[in-house]
Amino acid sequence: NAGVTQTPKFQVLKTGQSMTLQCAQDMNHNSMYWYRQDPGMGLRLIYYSASEGTTDKGEVPNGYNVSRLNKREFSLRLESAAPSQTSVYFCASSEAGTSGRFEQFFGPGTRLTVL
Amino acid sequence: ILNVEQSPQSLHVQEGDSTNFTCSFPSSNFYALHWYRWETAKSPEALFVMTLNGDEKKKGRISATLNTKEGYSYLYIKGSQPEDSATYLCGGSNYKLTFGKGTLLTVNP
Repeated sequence: NAGVTQTPKFQVLKTGQSMTLQCAQDMNHNSMYWYRQDPGMGLRLIYYSASEGTTDKGEVPNGYNVSRLNKREFSLRLESAAPSQTSVYFCASSEAGTSGRFEQFFGPGTRLTVL
Repeated sequence: ILNVEQSPQSLHVQEGDSTNFTCSFPSSNFYALHWYRWETAKSPEALFVMTLNGDEKKKGRISATLNTKEGYSYLYIKGSQPEDSATYLCGGSNYKLTFGKGTLLTVNP
């Protein structure tokens, strides 16, 4: 049981390049989330997916797009990377709903640097 | 977006000390309160999810209480050990979870 996996672990991009961060969970969870962690800012929600086929904006969605490919996978795309998107990105999943009733399980994170 | 505040921002204690931190949130439309333990270079791991006023939860030497009427939760660590050194993250939900900035605990041997 791998839990939540993320690829890649590290990535360096140049300004304007695009990339997709991959996330998968094997816990049969309905809900999935993308967060970014910046120094002194805690975890901020970028996008979430309450269930397969639905996605919604979180607190800081600008510059990102997401795809809930199936129940297991939730990807985050940066179409034109900017230095302000340098951050550590965490994917998470929870059993059901996004109301906060269920604990979230986090992946190991992707450290992204945009030059 | 829920405004979740944690205090203190950081804390240094000696091994064996007991300590506590605070998470405050707006009491209106409250739904759930989460506590996570986040070690450096790792990912957050859930400690507790609480929903009811007066809830108390315990896991080993760590416990938490919840007061939804006044909008706060306390996390207690009894007899701190160096391995308790981590950031303790609180998240409040009014149907969408918002995290505070965390309390960084350092336990000196």
